[in-house]
Amino acid sequence: GAGVSQSPSNKVTEKGKDVELRCDPISGHTALYWYRQSLGQGLEFLIYFQGNSAPDKSGLPSDRFSAERTGGSVSTLTIQRTQQEDSAVYLCASSFIQGSHEQYFGPGTRLTVT
Amino acid sequence: AQSVAQPEDQVNVAEGNPLTVKCTYSVSGNPYLFWYVQYPNRGLQFLLKYITGDNLVKGSYGFEAEFNKSQTSFHLKKPSALVSDSALYFCAVRDIRATDSWGKLQFGAGTQVVVTP
Repeated sequence: GAGVSQSPSNKVTEKGKDVELRCDPISGHTALYWYRQSLGQGLEFLIYFQGNSAPDKSGLPSDRFSAERTGGSVSTLTIQRTQQEDSAVYLCASSFIQGSHEQYFGPGTRLTVT
Repeated sequence: AQSVAQPEDQVNVAEGNPLTVKCTYSVSGNPYLFWYVQYPNRGLQFLLKYITGDNLVKGSYGFEAEFNKSQTSFHLKKPSALVSDSALYFCAVRDIRATDSWGKLQFGAGTQVVVTP
């Protein structure tokens, strides 16, 4: 595709439920990143995948958060037993792993936990 | 370690006036520097980057940024602001020698730009 796509664009879920957020990166980009942006806040790094290497999970806030990337392309961020503080916009980005690594972002998924 | 500071939460400017959004950074080696813009309810859009070469880099929508190594700054500028430039602006940095972080960027907290007619 022309850009990074994310689905769903909006997700409302009840506290305690699990959610899955999907990211489809730009074709040919081997690095993929997940960020979280809370209302009025900056970007909080969550996790990134670089080619076939083990992902950098250093930003995941708790063990309720996990992500996988299948076939080096599409990624899914899973939040188990959602809490109200998980409400935020979840942004995905992708980049090449050579060169200057500028990241291209998707439109985000707005998650609301009620 | 790498870090970015955007000292202003908000910048207000009248349409047609020059716009400056400040950014300072800290890296142990040489930096890659980026500016992104976020319009309401949208993802971040890449504006411009500094890798090497000329200290003044030009980007999208008439924006430019000046890399100043001695002051460790990378301020974003536009000679004549438009109302449509009202958005949230993020500066980001990566240490090009940070082999433990690869392409991971450190983002500033963001600066809200408000351009009034």
